[in-house]
Parts: sequence; structure tokens; C-alpha cells
Amino acid sequence: GQQLNQSPQSMFIQEGEDVSMNCTSSSIFNTWLWYKQDPGEGPVLLIALYKAGELTSNGRLTAQFGITRKDSFLNISASIPSDVGIYFCAGQGAGGTSYGKLTFGQGTILTVHP
Amino acid sequence: EPEVTQTPSHQVTQMGQEVILRCVPISNHLYFYWYRQILGQKVEFLVSFYNNEISEKSEIFDDQFSVERPDGSNFTLKIRSTKLEDSAMYFCASSEGPSEQYFGPGTRLTVT
Repeated sequence: GQQLNQSPQSMFIQEGEDVSMNCTSSSIFNTWLWYKQDPGEGPVLLIALYKAGELTSNGRLTAQFGITRKDSFLNISASIPSDVGIYFCAGQGAGGTSYGKLTFGQGTILTVHP
Repeated sequence: EPEVTQTPSHQVTQMGQEVILRCVPISNHLYFYWYRQILGQKVEFLVSFYNNEISEKSEIFDDQFSVERPDGSNFTLKIRSTKLEDSAMYFCASSEGPSEQYFGPGTRLTVT
């Protein structure tokens, strides 16, 4: 099946710093999504990307859909304590056999020190 | 803002027992999903449901699992005979189209 490699596994940063994380895949995805999960809760959708090369922002968050369609990046600028959580990338494959199914990365645990 | 709701928040059951996890998707959504997350691991797809039938399922979703939309608002996941390894968080999700999926808060299933 399709596998996503997400890195880094964890990050410890100071409040105010910028953060970058990325996902790579061995196969092409049609859609990339980024989710944030707080402990004991469900993933919350942050950004959805639909076209290769697309760059989309949501407040301090910016995500890009890689040109090869096999990767995606998420940047968080000027981090604040409430950015703490686990960030997951998720890919949705080409239609047909992977219709609707999201494949998730392993997650990046973000810790922000005040 | 509309949201996906799930009940119960925590279910404890004995091995071999049947459990039903319930979800109320966002009202105008047409696509419904179940995922699970074993503690400390990534979220894994179980099944997608559209137009009153399963559109895709994973290898995890074997004959012990079934889904149903018994009425216009609920979406359920049944596990017929639970095993210890079924212990996990189970998330329901829904979407208007197949892409932007919105997740519920989850049901923590503990099988003893």
C-alpha cells in the first residue's frame, strides 16, 4: 500500500520561532491534507491542497503541494504555545482504488517552550 | 459550526463481546468514514461509505466489522467479536466531497 514518511518525528522550539515539517511518499497523491491532533481528541483539518505546486495559507500556517505530487510541506510561522500538538499529513490517492481513503503520516510532535 | 459527534466517548468491553460505536456525521455530508488509531501510532483507514454502500475498505476491516447507516443521521461501526488488539481510538469522519474529511472526537475502545 501507499506509505507516507513524515519528518521530523518531533520538534522542540521556542515561542516565536518558525517551524517546518514535511511528508514524502513513494507514490503520487491527488490531494494532500494537514491535520492537527491534541491529546485525546480527533484530528482537526488545517489545510487542503489539490494541485501540484499549490501554495495555500491559513493564518500563520502555509502548506505546499510538491511538484512531483509525492510530497508536501507545512510551515508554521511565529509559533505560540497553543501550536503544541501532533501534526499529521494525509494523502489521498488517484481515483479508483483509493477513492476517499486518507493515508496518514506518522505525525510530528511539536513542543513550544514559552 | 457543525461538527461530527461520537458516542460513547469510552467503551470498555470483554474479549468476544460485540460493540457498536455510533457517529452523527455533519448533516449535509454525503461521505462517511471510520478510522482507528492505536495508542501512540498513526491514524489508519478502516472503511468508507457512500450512497448507502461501502466504497472502500482496508485489510483491517475483516468479517468481524460492519457499518450501517440505519437512518438519516446516524452512522455505526459494529465489531462482532472483539479481540484484545481491537483496543484503539475509533474516529468517525464525514465529508461533503471525498477530500476534506472532518473527524469526530473519537471513541476509546478498551478490550479486556
